[in-house]
Amino acid sequence: GESVGLHLPTLSVQEGDNSIINCAYSNSASDYFIWYKQESGKGPQFIIDIRSNMDKRQGQRVTVLLNKTVKHLSLQIAATQPGDSAVYFCTEGNYGQNFVFGPGTRLSVLP
Amino acid sequence: DTGVSQDPRHKITKRGQNVTFRCDPISEHNRLYWYRQTLGQGPEFLTYFQNEAQLEKSRLLSDRFSAERPKGSFSTLEIQRTEQGDSAMYLCASSQMMGHRAFFGQGTRLTVV
Repeated sequence: GESVGLHLPTLSVQEGDNSIINCAYSNSASDYFIWYKQESGKGPQFIIDIRSNMDKRQGQRVTVLLNKTVKHLSLQIAATQPGDSAVYFCTEGNYGQNFVFGPGTRLSVLP
Repeated sequence: DTGVSQDPRHKITKRGQNVTFRCDPISEHNRLYWYRQTLGQGPEFLTYFQNEAQLEKSRLLSDRFSAERPKGSFSTLEIQRTEQGDSAMYLCASSQMMGHRAFFGQGTRLTVV
């Protein structure tokens, strides 16, 4: 499968600040891009997805931006909270195909 | 809401022993995936089923690993003659057949001593 990857393995932010987690992808034909959050000792949990024909999608405190020109995906978390501390993965979701994960970015929220 | 369920949550076994893990997917999901995750890494794909058919196996899945999904519902992953390198979190996920999202279980943490 195609690779997905992260620009930074770790990110530390002050509580209340905004976080931006980046991801590069290589498969231009992907239908969706998805962000997962994985807390320690738990399985990954879906956060938000974005269809490949969109540039931006907003959820509750999270926004995903897709730049197809440079094959770049980002997850923005507003007013970061201690509960946001986790590893974040981006992946591609293609209808009926396998899911490929990169190494993830560890987000640490400082008090 | 009944999510993906995995059993056991933790397993400690001696090297050379066989272990079996179970996964119960979301009931209406046709696809079931197994992943392995080691510390500091993302989930690595092992295999997936569509209903009872095993459609893809990773090269990571050595001959000591076998997975089944006999009736297209729950699945089992067996590891024979465990080695210390098998110590990892084994994650199960399910999705609808043409879905683009995977729903993960809490995982089974295997420790081989």
